[in-house]
Amino acid sequence: KQEVTQIPAALSVPEGENLVLNCSFTDSAIYNLQWFRQDPGKGLTSLLLIQSSQREQTSGRLNASLDKSSGRSTLYIAASQPGDSATYLCASDNYGQNFVFGPGTRLSVLP
Amino acid sequence: ETGVTQTPRHLVMGMTNKKSLKCEQHLGHNAMYWYKQSAKKPLELMFVYNFKEQTENNSVPSRFSPECPNSSHLFLHLHTLQPEDSALYLCASSQEGTSVSYEQYFGPGTRLTVT
Repeated sequence: KQEVTQIPAALSVPEGENLVLNCSFTDSAIYNLQWFRQDPGKGLTSLLLIQSSQREQTSGRLNASLDKSSGRSTLYIAASQPGDSATYLCASDNYGQNFVFGPGTRLSVLP
Repeated sequence: ETGVTQTPRHLVMGMTNKKSLKCEQHLGHNAMYWYKQSAKKPLELMFVYNFKEQTENNSVPSRFSPECPNSSHLFLHLHTLQPEDSALYLCASSQEGTSVSYEQYFGPGTRLTVT
């Protein structure tokens, strides 16, 4: 059964820094991997989805990469802003299973 | 706006009450999901419906009863809940069976408190 972990659990950085969030999964037979953002008490907003045949996806200041062989995905945020403060979740969509979510990384960007 | 709406947004109910959560998607998707998000725990998948048929029930207690009358609407009927059922309940939808992606779109959630 797929297990998804995320490190760090929490991260605090000053505004303007570039940062990397990590996601690891145990079963490499994934169909795709999706990154989400969740603001406190709110639903999830999809950020990027990487299909298993892709290596990375980019949207604005966000870049997500996928390495199936090592069971890892990273979310790179460039020039962080206070508005980026949220919890970031990764989820893998696996063959024969449904989405399995990681516990999330809580990001605080300080002005 | 993600194209997925949920009502109510907040709900407080006693353990003997019966209530229902509603989810509606305006994206033309054919799969819908219920998730539970408790404090300090990863998102837990509860139910999956593909083409209105329930394809997954993740060992959810029978006090939670899903209903999917059509591909756009999903309900979660609640009865005799326990305080530990207090959580954020999220609905999501996706388009299954295509060669593109199974990207999931989430609603804003219903914050449920059981007293």
